Amino acid sequence: GQQLNQSPQSMFIQEGEDVSMNCTSSSIFNTWLWYKQEPGEGPVLLIALYKAGELTSNGRLTAQFGITRKDSFLNISASIPSDVGIYFCAGHPTPQTGANNLFFGTGTRLTVIP
Amino acid sequence: DAGITQSPRYKITETGRQVTLMCHQTWSHSYMFWYRQDLGHGLRLIYYSAAADITDKGEVPDGYVVSRSKTENFPLTLESATRSQTSVYFCASSEWTGGGYGYTFGSGTRLTVV
Repeated sequence: GQQLNQSPQSMFIQEGEDVSMNCTSSSIFNTWLWYKQEPGEGPVLLIALYKAGELTSNGRLTAQFGITRKDSFLNISASIPSDVGIYFCAGHPTPQTGANNLFFGTGTRLTVIP
Repeated sequence: DAGITQSPRYKITETGRQVTLMCHQTWSHSYMFWYRQDLGHGLRLIYYSAAADITDKGEVPDGYVVSRSKTENFPLTLESATRSQTSVYFCASSEWTGGGYGYTFGSGTRLTVV
């Protein structure tokens, strides 16, 4: 099955720093979703993007749907300790004809050093 | 509380045993999914269901069986558990939000096959 290339795999940052991570695909996606997963829990949706070029914010989080429709970026500003977790991108090639084909990246493990 | 719940949270079973993981959602979402999460592979789709009595295979269906007699329930059965099925299993549900599909995940079931 198709997987998305997510980078970096892990990040160690100081509290207060900004964070950037991205996700790329070899094929076109019509939806990009960003999830955060904390230990022992399921992924929780952070931001959903449905249009190429769309830039959406959720508090200190900002995500963009790449204009080529093959990539997406997530930025976290002024990181805090509770930002720790694994961040996953997920892409959906055909939102109107198949809810089954949601593909996930392998995750970015974020550690915030106080 | 409304939401998506999985049970049990933890399960240890022996090789060759049959085990069923339960998933229940209270939103009446049409789509439900089962994913497994393994290190290095991210989340991979096992089976999905578009509605009651409609199910289909995902990326890694071998060794698993699903059913969906009611919209709110989507149990996953391992017919004869193998050690390679040791994993964390996540159930998810999805509904069209107008802009695209939104996915919500349960908290997961950690299954160990010994």
